Amino acid sequence: DTAVSQTPKYLVTQMGNDKSIKCEQNLGHDTMYWYKQDSKKFLKIMFSYNNKELIINETVPNRFSPKSPDKAHLNLHINSLELGDSAVYFCASSSGTSGDTQYFGPGTRLTVL
Amino acid sequence: AQSVSQHNHHVILSEAASLELGCNYSYGGTVNLFWYVQYPGQHLQLLLKYFSGDPLVKGIKGFEAEFIKSKFSFNLRKPSVQWSDTAEYFCAVKTMDSSYKLIFGSGTRLLVRP
Repeated sequence: DTAVSQTPKYLVTQMGNDKSIKCEQNLGHDTMYWYKQDSKKFLKIMFSYNNKELIINETVPNRFSPKSPDKAHLNLHINSLELGDSAVYFCASSSGTSGDTQYFGPGTRLTVL
Repeated sequence: AQSVSQHNHHVILSEAASLELGCNYSYGGTVNLFWYVQYPGQHLQLLLKYFSGDPLVKGIKGFEAEFIKSKFSFNLRKPSVQWSDTAEYFCAVKTMDSSYKLIFGSGTRLLVRP
């Protein structure tokens, strides 16, 4: 009965490759998020979707493209991976947008070699 | 721009010691406040939250936090820590003008020695 799940859990790849991370939530939430946690554990929002519409798009390189096929899924595609993209990426979801608690997935540790 | 400061980056305590982790934010309007915990190798879990009402909120595992509006603070406390409390603790703030995003502090790494 996992609430927010992400695949894969670990991703090791070479520079220049294109990769995707998938996120699914079964909480019936209508808002989903992607966060990046760097090596110093600092968490920063990247994107947010509400009812499949992009509502937050922070200053993120356009090599990162989120896609939300439906309310329960928010995938993150990354083109031309760079060393600096190595981080843990967390997906989260919430019911509504204004202040509701966000529930986080287990994270995907991306390592770019 | 809004920001969240966690002053203690690393805290080391012995079991049964009392804990207080500081969190201050910069924003003059209405806020929603959260503390999340990240155990080693795990995802973030909500410890407690404050939206309105009683400024002293109780969370899971014996944690509590007090919202002091005049000090823009939301410090986390626990009277007696256990070894299993070893984790990274994140304060987060949602302000009314930051759309739907949480702004996180830089985290405090707590190590509890048995």
